[in-house]
Amino acid sequence: GAVVSQHPSWVICKSGTSVKIECRSLDFQATTMFWYRQFPKQSLMLMATSNEGSKATYEQGVEKDKFLINHASLTLSTLTVTSAHPEDSSFYICSARDLSNGNQPQHFGDGTRLSIL
Amino acid sequence: GQQLNQSPQSMFIQEGEDVSMNCTSSSIFNTWLWYKQDPGEGPVLLIALYKAGELTSNGRLTAQFGITRKDSFLNISASIPSDVGIYFCAGTGYSSASKIIFGSGTRLSIRP
Repeated sequence: GAVVSQHPSWVICKSGTSVKIECRSLDFQATTMFWYRQFPKQSLMLMATSNEGSKATYEQGVEKDKFLINHASLTLSTLTVTSAHPEDSSFYICSARDLSNGNQPQHFGDGTRLSIL
Repeated sequence: GQQLNQSPQSMFIQEGEDVSMNCTSSSIFNTWLWYKQDPGEGPVLLIALYKAGELTSNGRLTAQFGITRKDSFLNISASIPSDVGIYFCAGTGYSSASKIIFGSGTRLSIRP
């Protein structure tokens, strides 16, 4: 089945540093990738949608200068949390979808747990 | 915007019991999806539903796409310990590029 690999699976860093999270589709082309944020015991909240080669579309309330998204190839998207602070600590999950091949569902990565000290 | 109301929020089951959970919306959805999320992992797709009235099974799991396109249910028969986790319903609109809207989740636990 379709596999999405997310790296790293967890990261702890000091306040003020920037953190990059990678999301790769391993056996299909991801024309569209999605980035979610999940707080404990809550549902997934969509942060942004990115199409390969285009700028990401951010959801209302998500700072695009804070959460930089790059989707330069059909198999890789990155999310960079810039100048991270403790309130950015969360579980970040990516998902990928191939919209060039019919109504294919989204496939999710295993998430990245980000802890800012 | 579109919202999904998922119930129950949590439930305790004994091994062997059947489980039922559902999602409703005030808006019409084109696709209904059911995911399971284990602690520290991403959601895993269980069942995808694409047509109103569609009833689909995946092993002990059965899900239906409501006729009105505004609801869906998921049933788990003869539950086992590995069924424990959080189940999310999700839906997409008519555009294939539409983002997925997630329900609030149902936390399934084993009754001690």
